[in-house]
Amino acid sequence: AQTVTQSQPEMSVQEAETVTLSCTYDTSESDYYLFWYKQPPSRQMILVIRQEAYKQQNATENRFSVNFQKAAKSFSLKISDSQLGDAAMYFCAYRRPIQGAQKLVFGQGTRLTINP
Amino acid sequence: DAGVTQSPTHLIKTRGQQVTLRCSPKSGHDTVSWYQQALGQGPQFIFQYYEEEERQRGNFPDRFSGHQFPNYSSELNVNALLLGDSALYLCASSKDRGLSYEQYFGPGTRLTVT
Repeated sequence: AQTVTQSQPEMSVQEAETVTLSCTYDTSESDYYLFWYKQPPSRQMILVIRQEAYKQQNATENRFSVNFQKAAKSFSLKISDSQLGDAAMYFCAYRRPIQGAQKLVFGQGTRLTINP
Repeated sequence: DAGVTQSPTHLIKTRGQQVTLRCSPKSGHDTVSWYQQALGQGPQFIFQYYEEEERQRGNFPDRFSGHQFPNYSSELNVNALLLGDSALYLCASSKDRGLSYEQYFGPGTRLTVT
């Protein structure tokens, strides 16, 4: 079974600075999808960024980028120029690539605080 | 374009009672997944419905059951509620076909069992 681990329960960063959230996962499969989701106090889970394991290039979405290390099974999220609106719980998630919607396996989450 | 909607927003039930939660998927989506998120934890997969059938199930007891209707909306039923069932219940919808595997989440239903 696949597992996802986030070893940082809480992180904090000064506004406008850069922060990196860590995620490791365990799988015996060679192809899969990895995601970072953001859950603000409103509770709605929002997709931040997605990475396909067969792609060597790291995904980037505006101020958000990932460092995907397949051999190390590591998938970290870097947030540049942090903004107050980035404060939320962040979850790393894994999904098998099988055709058809498949379940997401989530980590325990990292609570990110932005200090003004 | 309405996103995923869930009802009710909050619910308080007594131990031993039964509860039904509802979810309407995003327009164009045909698959609905349910997740349970305990306080301070990541969501845990309960089950997934496609073509009105349960296609995949997580490690949850039979007290948790569901249904999908022809319009793709879904219900989650929990019988014989336990205190440990108190959690945020998230519904997520997606398309079964295509390369876009993104699951869109609703705002959740907060269930409190007393």
